[in-house]
Amino acid sequence: DTAVSQTPKYLVTQMGNDKSIKCEQNLGHDTMYWYKQDSKKFLKIMFSYNNKELIINETVPNRFSPKSPDKAHLNLHINSLELGDSAVYFCASSQTGGGPQHFGDGTRLSIL
Amino acid sequence: ELKVEQNPLFLSMQEGKNYTIYCNYSTTSDRLYWYRQDPGKSLESLFVLLSNGAVKQEGRLMASLDTKARLSTLHITAAVHDLSATYFCAARPDTNAGKSTFGDGTTLTVKP
Repeated sequence: DTAVSQTPKYLVTQMGNDKSIKCEQNLGHDTMYWYKQDSKKFLKIMFSYNNKELIINETVPNRFSPKSPDKAHLNLHINSLELGDSAVYFCASSQTGGGPQHFGDGTRLSIL
Repeated sequence: ELKVEQNPLFLSMQEGKNYTIYCNYSTTSDRLYWYRQDPGKSLESLFVLLSNGAVKQEGRLMASLDTKARLSTLHITAAVHDLSATYFCAARPDTNAGKSTFGDGTTLTVKP
């Protein structure tokens, strides 16, 4: 009964490849997020969707494309992976109204 | 744009001692969050502070909020090893309810 689940947990791939990360939440929340956490643990928001609508789109390379098929799912597709994309990517969800965010376990992306 | 500064970024303390982590934010915010992250793990919500003067306590951790000073504190009382983790504060701006900005995190190490 995991609240926010991400797959895969680990992703090791080569430069130039395209990969996707999937996220699902069963909390009934209407807002979902993608964060990138670098090796120094700095956490930066990338995207946020509210009821399938993109509401936050930070300055990230357009190689990153989020997609929310419904309010319980938010996926992240990355084209032409680069070395600098190596990081931990966290999905999170929250309810409109300002409750805390609930985070998934993270996807550890390593680019060879 | 809302900026959030935490200090210290690294904190090493002995068991049994008290200490405070500070979180300053740059513009008006309608709520302040504290999260905990264990090494290699996800982020877990600790506290949500909604109003000036709010104080919340859980075990050896107590968080407070001063909206006039734009300052939140996380006080640790009689630290134990199990509190070793990275603590993040995050502020949600009045003007963009969908977006919380995270501080850089304070990595706490409690030594026997």
